[in-house]
Amino acid sequence: QQQVKQSPQSLIVQKGGISIINCAYENTAFDYFPWYQQFPGKGPALLIAIRPDVSEKKEGRFTISFNKSAKQFSLHIMDSQPGDSATYFCAAMRAGNNRKLIWGLGTSLAVNP
Amino acid sequence: EAQVTQNPRYLITVTGKKLTVTCSQNMNHEYMSWYRQDPGLGLRQIYYSMNVEVTDKGDVPEGYKVSRKEKRNFPLILESPSPNQTSLYFCASSWVAGGRYEQFFGPGTRLTVL
Repeated sequence: QQQVKQSPQSLIVQKGGISIINCAYENTAFDYFPWYQQFPGKGPALLIAIRPDVSEKKEGRFTISFNKSAKQFSLHIMDSQPGDSATYFCAAMRAGNNRKLIWGLGTSLAVNP
Repeated sequence: EAQVTQNPRYLITVTGKKLTVTCSQNMNHEYMSWYRQDPGLGLRQIYYSMNVEVTDKGDVPEGYKVSRKEKRNFPLILESPSPNQTSLYFCASSWVAGGRYEQFFGPGTRLTVL
């Protein structure tokens, strides 16, 4: 049972376009939602994160949109660049739950030049 | 430089030959964990440790052991590796402060069991 469902599995975007990756969760007790970025041959690294008390968080070209009522959150990459080509993972965590992150299955993003 | 290191980075072994993958972090983090990453299955937690001498099973602990005798080290032990343990393994350590939580991942260990 996948507690955090991520889509699409793969995504191809043209340079300059907007990449959108979506995640949905079931457990309303989750209170922290990070996105991790993984380049080939590397470990994942935290990209951006949000808590449910805000609906949007922006850091540079990366934005998380959060819809608490729909139990969904998404990553938007504006002006996508070939250097953004990577695998993106969403995750969720419940405070006090042994700091366990519940992971989505990942989205492989390719940005064509 | 703050980092998580893993050794070896690549390992090819045979079924049944005990092996250890080392993990070390220099950030004084209390929480450490091991993941395996397989195509289409994402990141699955194997074991985690909240502090020295405190370890617990993650989602896929079968066939693995861990120990946490020192804060900085968290080795992963495969007593009798099998081909279904062929995977990419990541060690991670984490901190939480000011409402922000971050896991720092090592570079990964690609294990092949023949």
